Amino acid sequence: GAGVSQTPSNKVTEKGKYVELRCDPISGHTALYWYRQSLGQGPEFLIYFQGTGAADDSGLPNDRFFAVRPEGSVSTLKIQRTERGDSAVYLCASSSLAGGRPDTQYFGPGTRLTVL
Amino acid sequence: AQSVTQPDIHITVSEGASLELRCNYSYGATPYLFWYVQSPGQGLQLLLKYFSGDTLVQGIKGFEAEFKRSQSSFNLRKPSVHWSDAAEYFCASSGGSYIPTFGRGTSLIVHP
Repeated sequence: GAGVSQTPSNKVTEKGKYVELRCDPISGHTALYWYRQSLGQGPEFLIYFQGTGAADDSGLPNDRFFAVRPEGSVSTLKIQRTERGDSAVYLCASSSLAGGRPDTQYFGPGTRLTVL
Repeated sequence: AQSVTQPDIHITVSEGASLELRCNYSYGATPYLFWYVQSPGQGLQLLLKYFSGDTLVQGIKGFEAEFKRSQSSFNLRKPSVHWSDAAEYFCASSGGSYIPTFGRGTSLIVHP
């Protein structure tokens, strides 16, 4: 596609529910990143995929958060037993490799998650 | 651990005036440095980046930034601001992991 797309753009859920957020990266980009952006803050790293595998998941806050990228393209961020503190904008970015290292990240518009 | 400080939460300038947004990083070696802009409802867009070489980096939309190792700074500048530049600006740095750490952002307000 032309850019990184994320669905849904908005998600409202109740405390304790399960949610899935989807990211469709730029075609051909092997690296994919998830970030969380709380109000008034910069994006906070969650997880980085290189191909199908999670190369770095050190930013996931706890075991309620999980992400997959089974075919090395689309990724899904899954949040179990949502809490009000999970409310934020979840950003996805993708990049290609240049000289063996991840190149410029291109960001999607984000999914605004509200947990009531 | 790396950190990025953007000391100004809000900056207000008049249209046509010059702009400088401050950014300080903490990292032992030379980091990779970035400036992103985020408009309401839009994703972050890369303005410019510094990896190595010339310390004055030119970006899109007339922006530039200068890497100063002695001050651990990477300030963003623009000689003449347009009303359409009103947005949130984020500085970020990354080390060997290539995972950027973002500052909290500076909100730019442009008065006509």
